This record gives sequence, structure tokens and C-alpha cells, in this order.
Amino acid sequence: AQSVSQHNHHVILSEAASLELGCNYSYGGTVNLFWYVQYPGQHLQLLLKYFSGDPLVKGIKGFEAEFIKSKFSFNLRKPSVQWSDTAEYFCAVSPYSSASKIIFGSGTRLSIRP
Amino acid sequence: EAGVTQFPSHSVIEKGQTVTLRCDPISGHDNLYWYRRVMGKEIKFLLHFVKESKQDESGMPNNRFLAERTGGTYSTLKVQPAELEDSGVYFCASSQGLAGVYEQYFGPGTRLTVT
Repeated sequence: AQSVSQHNHHVILSEAASLELGCNYSYGGTVNLFWYVQYPGQHLQLLLKYFSGDPLVKGIKGFEAEFIKSKFSFNLRKPSVQWSDTAEYFCAVSPYSSASKIIFGSGTRLSIRP
Repeated sequence: EAGVTQFPSHSVIEKGQTVTLRCDPISGHDNLYWYRRVMGKEIKFLLHFVKESKQDESGMPNNRFLAERTGGTYSTLKVQPAELEDSGVYFCASSQGLAGVYEQYFGPGTRLTVT
């Protein structure tokens, strides 16, 4: 079955620290890849997405993610986090063969110490 | 432009009762999706409407769940009778096209607690 695995359940960092959240997926075919974010009290919103082309994708608020096909990974990075990045982050895939649905990971809660 | 709205924001019901959740998608979005997040677990796909037709309902857990989208506008998700394991946050999302091509916009969710 298709699945998405996020390596960390809860990450705590200080402001200005670098961030990398791991994500691996299990699916043998072509996929679209996403990172969603849910800030406290807000809706889920799209942070960035990968469909094709350059495997290094840039999103909003200084986030980027790199698709490594051979590793089935799509890790999220930010060089210097801010307190306002405190949120829950979800990695997700949408298989081309079943493009109606998005399959989410279990989420990583990021807490930033001011 | 108004986003996806859901009603109610919270619902607390007893086991065996019926609850109906409502989702209003972004105007003009033909695609409407329901997802559910049980506490501490991943957000799981329930079903997908294209206009008023069910395109994919492979994620519906059992026949206690009934989703409708009459007229291709808003959608309802009814749980009857509710069980304890139905507790969680129910999200609705809408998009102009299929998930792989167009962004899905999510609503704030309905938190359902079954006691």
C-alpha cells in the first residue's frame, strides 16, 4: 500500500537554527509531492509542491525541498528558522495513477524557541 | 474570495447518535474531497466528488458514513450511528482540477468527539 513516512514526530529548535524534516514515501510509480503546513489555529496550506523538472523546489517563507527519486525522499529544509515557523508540517504524495487523493504522512510538529 | 468553510467547528455527540458535517467549497471548484485525522495519526483520504458524482470513495471506512453533494455545490458527511473510533478532525478540501495538478484548498476542519 502507498504510504508516507515522516521521520520525526516533534522537533524543537532555537531561532536561526537550520531545519531539515525527513520524508520518505513508498510508491513505485510517478508521484506528485507536497509539503503542507498548519500554523496554530489556521487551515492546512500548501508550502511547496513538486510535479516534474528541477528536483530542488522552492516554496513560501524560505522553505525548499529536494526530491531524490532513488531514495524515495522529499526532505524539507530551511536554512534559518524563525519563531513564526512553529507549526505542524505534513509531507504528502499524490500518485499519478490515483490523482484524486493525497496521501499524507503523520506530521511533524515543529516548535521554535525564541 | 471566500475559502473552504466547514460547519460545525466542533461537535460532541454520544455513541449511537447521528451527526452531519457540512462543507462549502470555494465557488467554482468542481472537486471536493473529505479527509479525516484521528488523533496522532495521519490525515486520511475518505472520498472525492467531481461535481455531484462520487469519483473515488475508496477511503470511506464503512457504511455508517454517507457523503452527498447534491447539485454539485456544498457537501455533507453523515455518520450514523457514530462510534467512539469516529472521533477525529474531518477536513474538507476543494480544487479546480485533480489533486496531482491543482492545489487542494483545505477548510478549518470539524472536530468530532464521540463519547
